[in-house]
Amino acid sequence: AQSVTQLGSHVSVSEGALVLLRCNYSSSVPPYLFWYVQYPNQGLQLLLKYTSAATLVKGINGFEAEFKKSETSFHLTKPSAHMSDAAEYFCAVRGANNLFFGTGTRLTVIP
Amino acid sequence: GAGVSQSPSNKVTEKGKDVELRCDPISGHTALYWYRQSLGQGLEFLIYFQGNSAPDKSGLPSDRFSAERTGGSVSTLTIQRTQQEDSAVYLCASSTLLAGVYEQYFGPGTRLTVT
Repeated sequence: AQSVTQLGSHVSVSEGALVLLRCNYSSSVPPYLFWYVQYPNQGLQLLLKYTSAATLVKGINGFEAEFKKSETSFHLTKPSAHMSDAAEYFCAVRGANNLFFGTGTRLTVIP
Repeated sequence: GAGVSQSPSNKVTEKGKDVELRCDPISGHTALYWYRQSLGQGLEFLIYFQGNSAPDKSGLPSDRFSAERTGGSVSTLTIQRTQQEDSAVYLCASSTLLAGVYEQYFGPGTRLTVT
């Protein structure tokens, strides 16, 4: 069975500060992992995905995530937060015909 | 090009009524997914269609929920005898056969409120 756990339903950072959103996974098979972003009243947009190639994955808008098998983690980071990064972020793991999503982390950026 | 569209964007219904939610996938996308986003519960998979294959209905929460996909394109999610716990945002996504779950494109969702 596959699942992901996102630690922290709300994260606040100051503009220009490091963004760190945490995701831990559980998978009975080698995992394929994803981060999606959802802006208000919009659908989800793929930020990046890990598909067993490089463990450090770079995505859009300056985000990146590192797959760490020993820690079963796939945390999302961005060196410097922008106001436009305020949104809800979802971690997900591949299932047979779908993705299993975490409960989401709402990121607030303080000016 | 056009993305995934869903209608209506908002739906308010009384408990016990039936509702139909529509999804228009991206042209040429053979795979279509429905998810439900409840407050504080992330996204829950409901059903998956791929071409003319039998759909994967393993995520449907009860027999009050059903979905069909006509002509391999538009899909309708039907909820019969709605209950208050059905209140949620229903999201549709589509992808190409090759990309599958690795590249899903999501619509803006339909917010369903059951009073």
